[in-house]
Formats: sequence, structure tokens, C-alpha cells
Amino acid sequence: KNEVEQSPQNLTAQEGEFITINCSYSVGISALHWLQQHPGGGIVSLFMLSSGKKKHGRLIATINIQEKHSSLHITASHPRDSAVYICAPFMEYGNKLVFGAGTILRVKS
Amino acid sequence: DSGVTQTPKHLITATGQRVTLRCSPRSGDLSVYWYQQSLDQGLQFLIHYYNGEERAKGNILERFSAQQFPDLHSELNLSSLELGDSALYFCASSLGLAGVGTQYFGPGTRLLVL
Repeated sequence: KNEVEQSPQNLTAQEGEFITINCSYSVGISALHWLQQHPGGGIVSLFMLSSGKKKHGRLIATINIQEKHSSLHITASHPRDSAVYICAPFMEYGNKLVFGAGTILRVKS
Repeated sequence: DSGVTQTPKHLITATGQRVTLRCSPRSGDLSVYWYQQSLDQGLQFLIHYYNGEERAKGNILERFSAQQFPDLHSELNLSSLELGDSALYFCASSLGLAGVGTQYFGPGTRLLVL
């Protein structure tokens, strides 16, 4: 079983839709990162959170440490949100990031 | 622009060869991380340096080595290259020691081993 499970693997949405990407992990962590990878390959860190909820613009990330689960929400999705979104918990054991397989999001206009 | 630079952007080489990838962290960042992204394995952590010292090791092959220099730039050396080493190699930097801080990723080096 993978240490990090992301769902869905692929997601196609219409512009304006509310989007949710889920991440479950099985290891002890001290924080969790959400990353965005653009079609050109560049990676941007969207959030780093260890509890509760964070919001940047149309993006919201939540985490429940006890349930070992995090979600990334995109409100009012736009074609420029099309990218791969990667969940990356920071493992306490090994002091390292582990990565989900990513969710490929395509937003159609 | 994250402020992290990586050179070269692209590298094509042959099996058995050795290459060096270079990373310059954001100004003021003391931590450098190296990651490998391949089609079959996804993103994987390789190694972490903090202020010149190795702090954590991941799935780094013995054929690979890294170091961080006094000016804080880092190099990843890949030797006896195999076809399966073809991948995107990213470095990232952060201010502090632990990985709980935001990591800023470089644009990556795309390595193709023929």
C-alpha cells in the first residue's frame, strides 16, 4: 500500500465548478504540502499546513491530522487552474517529503 | 520565479557516463533538497543538505552523490548512468532545517540517457 493516496487521478471540470482533491496518508507527519505542477514541468508550493485550514484566493486546503486526511479545494475553477496537483506529507520518520501520484486537473472553458 | 536556479535545463548523455547537476538556492536559504521525477516512479526525495551538511537521505542510488558547498550551492553527481536514470531532477530550497517550511522549487534539469 502506498504511503500517500490521492484521488481522483484525473479530473475534468467545466469552468466555474467547485473542485475537490483528496489525500490520505498512512504515516506520521509533521506537516503536509500541496504542490502544483504546470504542463511545462515547474513546481510551485501552494500550501504547507499542519492543522486546520488555509486559504489563498480561490484555493482552500484543509487537514485532519487524526484522520490522516487532507483536501484541496478550488472554488470557481478556471482553465488556468489546469495542472497536476500533488499532495506531499512531510514524514516525521526520515525527515522527508513523500509524494502522492498527483491529480491531473483539466478545466474546460 | 522561485529564486532557485538549476543548470543545465536539459542534458542528453549516453549510458555509462557521468553528469553533474547544479542548484543555487534562494538567497538566505540554508536547506537544499534534491528530487527525482520519473514517469514510472513519480516524485521521489533523494537527499537534503543543510548549511553544508547532509541531513536526510531518501531513495538515492549509490551511483549518485551530492554535496553542498560553503556558498550554499549544491551539486548532484550521477555516475554510471543507465537508461532508467532519465528523469526530471528538481532541487528545492527552504530557509530552515526541518522540512516543515515552504520549499521553493527550481525549474528542474531534464536528463535523457540514451
